[in-house]
Amino acid sequence: KAGVTQTPRYLIKTRGQQVTLSCSPISGHRSVSWYQQTPGQGLQFLFEYFSETQRNKGNFPGRFSGRQFSNSRSEMNVSTLELGDSALYLCASSLNSGDYDEQFFGPGTRLTVL
Amino acid sequence: AQTVTQSQPEMSVQEAETVTLSCTYDTSESDYYLFWYKQPPSRQMILVIRQEAYKQQNATENRFSVNFQKAAKSFSLKISDSQLGDAAMYFCAKIQGAQKLVFGQGTRLTINP
Repeated sequence: KAGVTQTPRYLIKTRGQQVTLSCSPISGHRSVSWYQQTPGQGLQFLFEYFSETQRNKGNFPGRFSGRQFSNSRSEMNVSTLELGDSALYLCASSLNSGDYDEQFFGPGTRLTVL
Repeated sequence: AQTVTQSQPEMSVQEAETVTLSCTYDTSESDYYLFWYKQPPSRQMILVIRQEAYKQQNATENRFSVNFQKAAKSFSLKISDSQLGDAAMYFCAKIQGAQKLVFGQGTRLTINP
């Protein structure tokens, strides 16, 4: 079974631009979560989608948004990029069939904002 | 907000020896899940071990085991017979709400040959 895939793996943007990152979950998984990892703030939860609905949201500004499609693939968008948005963005998928299911992480997208 | 604290930014151990990584957390819940994740240089997060708070027995996975002290809100990871492939960042995490993981700041583990 294929793992979680994220595209692109690396991205370079300039301040003020916007970016879209994609995450394809493991087949059959319906929940997708996004995390931002930076040296200063560590790993922080962005949001989680289940059956195309955002169920949980972290403490990030409205410039960060996401969505999930009917095939469970998810995208996250960051508008008006700032230097501080440079980070590794990780997505994780899970079955979410019960109380809690293991989250399987993708390899991440490394975003550099210049 | 719930917090997870790892007080050891870096640890090192000789190959084949045992090392323990510390983690404490804050919660008002009585039932919850705790995890240790490994992040090697490839950046792929890998689940090492998980503990369900209502279970008294400490979780074990081969060379990895935890010491879960619920009253003290402590959750340490013991790695026995350390191997070079164990070198990585290790993150302690707690589930909060639906599928939201709260992570500690991480401990960088170095294995000395």
